[in-house]
Amino acid sequence: QQQVKQSPQSLIVQKGGISIINCAYENTAFDYFPWYQQFPGKGPALLIAIRPDVSEKKEGRFTISFNKSAKQFSLHIMDSQPGDSATYFCAASLNRASKLTFGTGTRLQVTL
Amino acid sequence: GAVVSQHPSRVICKSGTSVKIECRSLDFQATTMFWYRQFPKQSLMLMATSNEGSKATYEQGVEKDKFLINHASLTLSTLTVTSAHPEDSSFYICSASRSGTGNYGYTFGSGTRLTVV
Repeated sequence: QQQVKQSPQSLIVQKGGISIINCAYENTAFDYFPWYQQFPGKGPALLIAIRPDVSEKKEGRFTISFNKSAKQFSLHIMDSQPGDSATYFCAASLNRASKLTFGTGTRLQVTL
Repeated sequence: GAVVSQHPSRVICKSGTSVKIECRSLDFQATTMFWYRQFPKQSLMLMATSNEGSKATYEQGVEKDKFLINHASLTLSTLTVTSAHPEDSSFYICSASRSGTGNYGYTFGSGTRLTVV
């Protein structure tokens, strides 16, 4: 009930391409869906987040698409750059004070 | 923006000793702090949730007597790994949740790489 499933496990995208990472959740009580970027040896950094009352949110090259009925959400990275090469985690939580449930992570490599 | 400072960034200790990791929210009050453990190429595993002034809530399977968590103030939480063993070697990360705002303010520290030899 608390799981968040993430795919793919790894992804290779050419520079300038679109990177797409997908997540699915089970618990319909989740109220907050963030995406984090993590570089080796560093803590995760918030990229973008969405609440279930909107279907899409865009910040710069990063877009979250949210499908409440399908219980799925995805991260799209437009014009992917080598500097975007990192591990990306989706997550979900019940409310502002609740713990985050993380997906399993996606290792993105953007090639020249 | 919200900053969480975590120290030390790396620590090597001998088996059987204890290690303390500090997590400070520098520019906001954190009513709730979370401690995670991350093994190489794996996701973050929540170890415990701590609220200022009260006992931490540990996740199932996490030994509370081995991983001591103290959240004595709204800006500081500590994790002490007691009687450390090589299998405790891991990357430990804290996260702080802001209080009193309408935002979902989860800010992560930069992590601590613990190596037990």
